[in-house]
Amino acid sequence: EPEVTQTPSHQVTQMGQEVILRCVPISNHLYFYWYRQILGQKVEFLVSFYNNEISEKSEIFDDQFSVERPDGSNFTLKIRSTKLEDSAMYFCASRALGGEQYFGPGTRLTVT
Amino acid sequence: TQLLEQSPQFLSIQEGENLTVYCNSSSVFSSLQWYRQEPGEGPVLLVTVVTGGEVKKLKRLTFQFGDARKDSSLHITAAQPGDTGLYLCAGARDGGYNKLIFGAGTRLAVHP
Repeated sequence: EPEVTQTPSHQVTQMGQEVILRCVPISNHLYFYWYRQILGQKVEFLVSFYNNEISEKSEIFDDQFSVERPDGSNFTLKIRSTKLEDSAMYFCASRALGGEQYFGPGTRLTVT
Repeated sequence: TQLLEQSPQFLSIQEGENLTVYCNSSSVFSSLQWYRQEPGEGPVLLVTVVTGGEVKKLKRLTFQFGDARKDSSLHITAAQPGDTGLYLCAGARDGGYNKLIFGAGTRLAVHP
């Protein structure tokens, strides 16, 4: 069964460093999403991406964040200068036209 | 602000008991998804309900969408230890690109 994959599973970085989280969505899906979940809190929407551009973003998704689909398979989330409060699980999700969102296993980002 | 309130927050029961988890909002959703999340993993889709009053069954799990599409419930019959986990509801609004608004989850523990 097709699934969303994410790498790395765990990323440790120092405050101020740039990180890139990678996702491979399900191959025939057209809509891509990033969510995050701070430990013990709700899953929160960050950004949606369709037709090679951001379609919607939350207040959390400020200028420090960017997304890209550099080729036909990968979908990345970049955090330019990480802060302690960026420590969270980051989930990628994808869906087909009219379909449901399927989530990846997540990347645990730890900022020290 | 759209909120999805889940109750109860925690539920600890014995194997064989029945239980119901609630997901309530003051907002109307075009669809509502139920996910199950294991520690350190991504949400796994259980079901999507889209029509007011809709009832869907998945083995011992029964999902219902409220007539006004503002609330939903998950009922588990004869709970098993394998049902232990975090159950999340997530709603999508009409229009937009289907970003999901998540509830905080109900953590279920089923004891043998």
